[in-house]
Amino acid sequence: DTGVSQNPRHKITKRGQNVTFRCDPISEHNRLYWYRQTLGQGPEFLTYFQNEAQLEKSRLLSDRFSAERPKGSFSTLEIQRTEQGDSAMYLCASSLATSPSEKLFFGSGTQLSVL
Amino acid sequence: AQKVTQAQTEISVVEKEDVTLDCVYETRDTTYYLFWYKQPPSGELVFLIRRNSFDEQNEISGRYSWNFQKSTSSFNFTITASQVVDSAVYFCALSELGTFSGGYNKLIFGAGTRLAVHP
Repeated sequence: DTGVSQNPRHKITKRGQNVTFRCDPISEHNRLYWYRQTLGQGPEFLTYFQNEAQLEKSRLLSDRFSAERPKGSFSTLEIQRTEQGDSAMYLCASSLATSPSEKLFFGSGTQLSVL
Repeated sequence: AQKVTQAQTEISVVEKEDVTLDCVYETRDTTYYLFWYKQPPSGELVFLIRRNSFDEQNEISGRYSWNFQKSTSSFNFTITASQVVDSAVYFCALSELGTFSGGYNKLIFGAGTRLAVHP
C-alpha cells in the first residue's frame, strides 16, 4: 500500500492559463474522489468516479473544470482559463467499495496558486 | 441540508493537557456516518475514526476518545495528555451517501479546528 499520490505538489500559474493535476490512487481501489480545500475551510466535494465512470459532479465544478479517469486507474483534473478564485488545495481520495460509507484515503494534495 | 459545525477555530494547549474538540452536525437522514480526520502540515488527511448513527457507544483508542451523542447531534473528540505531535488541523465530517451504485461516500466537512500543542 503506497498510498494516494498526487502531482505536482505545488503549481503556480498565471490567470487564463490551463493546468492539469494527476492523482494515482491506491492500486486496488475502484472509487476515486476529488475535493477542493480553500484556506481555513474543510475540503469540499467536487466529483466522484467509480472505475472509469464519472458518476457525480458538484455544482462547484464549472464548465472550465474537467476530470477523467481513463481505464479506471489514475485520474486527471484539468482547469481551463484559470481564475484567481481557483487558487486552492486540490485533494484526491480513493477507496474500495466494501460497505456504505467506506474509509477514504487522501493524497497530500496539489496546491494551486493563480496569479 | 446537511451541515457540520466546528465552532473552535483554534485551540492552544501545553503538552500533557487534555483537550476536547467539538463537532455538531445537522442531517435529516436516519442512517448516517460520522468521521474525524487529522491534517498535519504535510497536507494529507489521515483517517481517525468512523462511527455509524446506530452505535452511540463511546470509543477509546489510546490517548484518543470520542463521545457520540445523538440527542445533541454532537460527536466530540478528546485527546488525553496531548503531545506536540498532535499539533494539526482536525476535521469532523458527515457522510452523505451518493445515490449511485449502492451508495458511495461523499463527505461533508466542518471548517476544522487547528490544535497547537506547545512543549
